[in-house]
Amino acid sequence: QLLLQESGPGLVKPSETLSLNCTVSGGSISSNNYYWGWIRQPPGKGLEWIGSIYLSGSTFYNPSLKSRVTVSADTSKNQFSLKLRSVTAADTAVYYCARHPHIVVVPPDYWGQGTLVTVSS
Amino acid sequence: QSALTQPPSASGSPGQSVTISCTGTSSDIGGYNYVSWYQQYPGKAPKLMISEVTKRPSGVPDRFSGSKSGNTASLTVSGLQAEDEADYYCCSYAGSNMVFGTGTKVTVL
Repeated sequence: QLLLQESGPGLVKPSETLSLNCTVSGGSISSNNYYWGWIRQPPGKGLEWIGSIYLSGSTFYNPSLKSRVTVSADTSKNQFSLKLRSVTAADTAVYYCARHPHIVVVPPDYWGQGTLVTVSS
Repeated sequence: QSALTQPPSASGSPGQSVTISCTGTSSDIGGYNYVSWYQQYPGKAPKLMISEVTKRPSGVPDRFSGSKSGNTASLTVSGLQAEDEADYYCCSYAGSNMVFGTGTKVTVL
C-alpha cells in the first residue's frame, strides 16, 4: 500500500518561504514510472496543481507559480519537497503531495492526507 | 492555463442519475485521454474515481462512469446514494502541465 505523508510548519510569515516535505512509504520515488507532485487547495476553494518532479530531476511547474516554486527530491530519504518563496495570505491552503502514474504529469492516483499551511504574521 | 469549467452544483434524488460536465480546450481534454475525476468529502483528500477518461480503479462502484466528447468530459453517477454527496473535480493532462476543474457540489435530495 503506497502512502504519502506531508510534513512541515503549519504557520509561515508573509514574505518568507514555505517549505514542505512528502515522505513516501510502500514504494520508491526512484521508480522510473512516476512523477511526484504538489497540489494545493485554499480554504473553501478548488484544487490547484503546483509542480511535479521525475526521478531524473526533470520538473514541471504551474506557469502562474513558476517564478516562486522549487520542487526537489531526496532519493536517499524517499522524500520530495516543495519550496514556495515570498508567500502572501493568498498562499494559505491545504497542501497535498501526490503520485502521477506515468512518465508525464497525468492526473494523480495516490494522494497524501494534506497539511494546512497558514500565512500570517 | 485556465481551470476546466464545471457546473457549481448538481443534484438528484436517491436512485436517480446525475451527470457532471467538465469543459476544456483542445490543449487539455480534447488533446489527450488523460482525464480523471475525484470525489472529495469535507476535510478529506480527493479520492480517484475515474482515470484515463473511462477507467474505474479497484474498489470504485460501477455506478460511476466517465466519458469524453471533443473538449468536454463527463462523469455520470447512476443510482445515486446518500454517500455520493460530495464535491467532484475533473483533472486533465495538458502537455507538460496539469489542470483541474472548478469543482461541482453534488447534493442528494
